[in-house]
Order: sequence, then C-alpha cells, then structure tokens
Amino acid sequence: GDSVTQMEGPVTLSEEAFLTINCTYTATGYPSLFWYVQYPGEGLQLLLKATKADDKGSNKGFEATYRKETTSFHLEKGSVQVSDSAVYFCALKTSYDKVIFGPGTSLSVIP
Amino acid sequence: TAGITQAPTSQILAAGRSMTLRCTQDMRHNAMYWYRQDLGLGLRLIHYSNTAGTTGKGEVPDGYSVSRANTDDFPLTLASAVPSQTSVYFCASSSGTERAGEQFFGPGTRLTVL
Repeated sequence: GDSVTQMEGPVTLSEEAFLTINCTYTATGYPSLFWYVQYPGEGLQLLLKATKADDKGSNKGFEATYRKETTSFHLEKGSVQVSDSAVYFCALKTSYDKVIFGPGTSLSVIP
Repeated sequence: TAGITQAPTSQILAAGRSMTLRCTQDMRHNAMYWYRQDLGLGLRLIHYSNTAGTTGKGEVPDGYSVSRANTDDFPLTLASAVPSQTSVYFCASSSGTERAGEQFFGPGTRLTVL
C-alpha cells in the first residue's frame, strides 16, 4: 500500500548547519508530495509542495525536489536557525485524494 | 482571518463521560478532517467530510462520531470516553478533495481522559 518513510529523529544541529531530512515514499500512480512543519504547541502548517516529477518546492529557505526515480522528497536547508526547531512531516496525496503523513522528524537547533 | 478555531484548548475528562470537540473554519473549505496525534504514532485520521452533509471513516474511527450540518462546523463527539482516547486532537480543512494535500490545521485540543 501507499506509505511514507522519514528518517528517525531527533535531529540536533548547531545554528547555521546544513539540514537534510530524508523522506521516501511508496505509491501507485503519480502522487503529490508535501512537507509540513509543526512548531511546539501548534498545529501543522504546509511548508512546501511538489506535484510532479522533478518539481522543486521551496519556502522560507527550505527546498525539496520530487525524485521519481528514487521515490524521494528530501527536505534541505542551507543554514538552519534556532527558530527552525520543530517537527517536520513528509506527506503524500495519492491519485485518489487520500493523504498519508509520515511519522515526523523532530529537529532541534542549538545556538 | 481566523482560519480554523478549535475549542476547548484543553480538557480533563472522566472516563465514561461524553464530550464534543468543536471545530469551525471561516475559509469556506469543502473538506474537513479530524486527526489525533500521539507520541510515536504520528497523525492518524479519525473521520473526514468531503462536503457539507457527508462524512466518512478514517483510520481510527471507533469511539468517535462526527456531523457536518454546514460548511463551517465539524464537531467531533466522544460518546463514552476511555483513557486510550487521551491525545491531542487536530481539526483541519482543505478547499476540496483535489487539494487534500494542502490542509490548514487548527491549534489542537489536548484531551486527557482519567
């Protein structure tokens, strides 16, 4: 069945370090892919999206590229800040409009 | 714009009691969702509604019921609460099922069942 796998956390980085959070998926057809962010005590917010192969989604310095050949959608940021500390969820929308969220990866950025 | 509001923010409930978690959106979105978030289990879909007047079961519907009398409101009811329903509950919406991947989430309700 359709699924999303994310790297296990927690991830701890120093400020200004490079961030990669891996996400791979299994899906039939051509899913759309998403990254959501959840700051402490809040609901999830859509961070970025990509709807077809080779699309790059970007927002707030974060980027992710839809790689169909490797079924991946890894989240990257060149220089993280303390304010980026949050839980990040990879998600996919199947061709029949079902949404599947990954388990989430917790990121802590220390000064 | 408020987006999605949820009430209450938190609640402690005795086992066996009933409770309704409220969710209201002001974006005129057709689709709405209820999730529970538990440590180690991620987000799990409880119930959803693709449009006013219709509802459907998600991944973990047992012990919960919903209604969708109008576009804006999507209440979640626990008829007889049990401790395993202790969780953080999130309501979400999307403009339609074709935009189901672009959901707007409320701030959540933290429920403790004792």
